[in-house]
Amino acid sequence: DVKVTQSSRYLVKRTGEKVFLECVQDMDHENMFWYRQDPGLGLRLIYFSYDVKMKEKGDIPEGYSVSREKKERFSLILESASTNQTSMYLCASSFPAGTSGTGEQFFGPGTRLTVL
Amino acid sequence: QKEVEQNSGPLSVPEGAIASLNCTYSDRGSQSFFWYRQYSGKSPELIMFIYSNGDKEDGRFTAQLNKASQYVSLLIRDSQPSDSATYLCATPGGSYIPTFGRGTSLIVHP
Repeated sequence: DVKVTQSSRYLVKRTGEKVFLECVQDMDHENMFWYRQDPGLGLRLIYFSYDVKMKEKGDIPEGYSVSREKKERFSLILESASTNQTSMYLCASSFPAGTSGTGEQFFGPGTRLTVL
Repeated sequence: QKEVEQNSGPLSVPEGAIASLNCTYSDRGSQSFFWYRQYSGKSPELIMFIYSNGDKEDGRFTAQLNKASQYVSLLIRDSQPSDSATYLCATPGGSYIPTFGRGTSLIVHP
């Protein structure tokens, strides 16, 4: 079974703190993604990585950075947390669509981050 | 900009009825589609994948794809209260980054 794990299910941080969210997958997927999900706004892509040390900005990268030093691990960093970053954060991984597979994404359980 | 559109709902159906969820897309190059189910407070999980025109059935679920009209739908037969969730339509769209709709909330009431 594909497994995507995230470091925390619930996290409470204070404004201005640096926050690290970790994601690990065990299926040797090339692609990894970070989304945030807010009511009525659907899934919004923050960053995407298609290979180790490679990253691409998604739709809402401001205030975030990412790190992918190993294929199985993709970290999301909030440099200086703000209250408007309170959200559900979802990590996902996949093979690329095409010869490697359908492109189906496997999601982690999510981290509900509250910034006070 | 590739777009996938879904009615946000909620779609409310009685137990035992057929629930019909619809999705339209803008990119004619999109070849395949996913339907994910997301329970409240949980992460999305894949329930259907379709890449050919026509119907694909899996148990109580049927996905329908019409590339000429650029829509994809999900039918849930004999709906159960446990089917109450948000259903997300998505397409790989030929790129690394899938495009998701915002999801349709389904409520199945006893």
